[in-house]
Amino acid sequence: TQLLEQSPQFLSIQEGENLTVYCNSSSVFSSLQWYRQEPGEGPVLLVTVVTGGEVKKLKRLTFQFGDARKDSSLHITAAQPGDTGLYLCAEGNTGTASKLTFGTGTRLQVTL
Amino acid sequence: DAGVTQSPTHLIKTRGQQVTLRCSPKSGHDTVSWYQQALGQGPQFIFQYYEEEERQRGNFPDRFSGHQFPNYSSELNVNALLLGDSALYLCASSSLQGYLAQYFGPGTRLTVL
Repeated sequence: TQLLEQSPQFLSIQEGENLTVYCNSSSVFSSLQWYRQEPGEGPVLLVTVVTGGEVKKLKRLTFQFGDARKDSSLHITAAQPGDTGLYLCAEGNTGTASKLTFGTGTRLQVTL
Repeated sequence: DAGVTQSPTHLIKTRGQQVTLRCSPKSGHDTVSWYQQALGQGPQFIFQYYEEEERQRGNFPDRFSGHQFPNYSSELNVNALLLGDSALYLCASSSLQGYLAQYFGPGTRLTVL
């Protein structure tokens, strides 16, 4: 069974700071997704990465997929209070069923 | 265009009871997956339905069962509730072609007393 470890578990920073969260696996990802979940809501897909070494940007968020496809990082530049939430990485298998295996998540709080 | 909807939003049950949760997928989606998210954890895959059949199942006991209707909506049933079943139950929809893009509903918060 694929195990996804995320670090750190908790992060509390001030507005304007930069941060990086990590997602590591015991085996190769077929594809990796990052989600953000706010209290009382379901996870919202931010990005999907498939190719080793791939880098994708979404405004102030930069996602990187490791060359060996066993790790990924999410970097946020100049964090804002609206970035507060639970950040989840998930592996999506590319078989016949689109089952997602989620990591334990990084809870981010951005204060003024 | 309505996204994924779930009902009810909150539910309180006692041990041993049965519960049914409902999900309507995003328009144009034909596949529904259910996840259980315990407090402080990431979601865990329960099962997935496509063409009214269970296509894949996670590591959950038979007390967890489901159904998909011809209009693609889905139900999750849990029998003989345990305290440990208290969690947020999430429904996600996708299309067979765009299976990597899954859209989640807001979830149903189930509390078992």
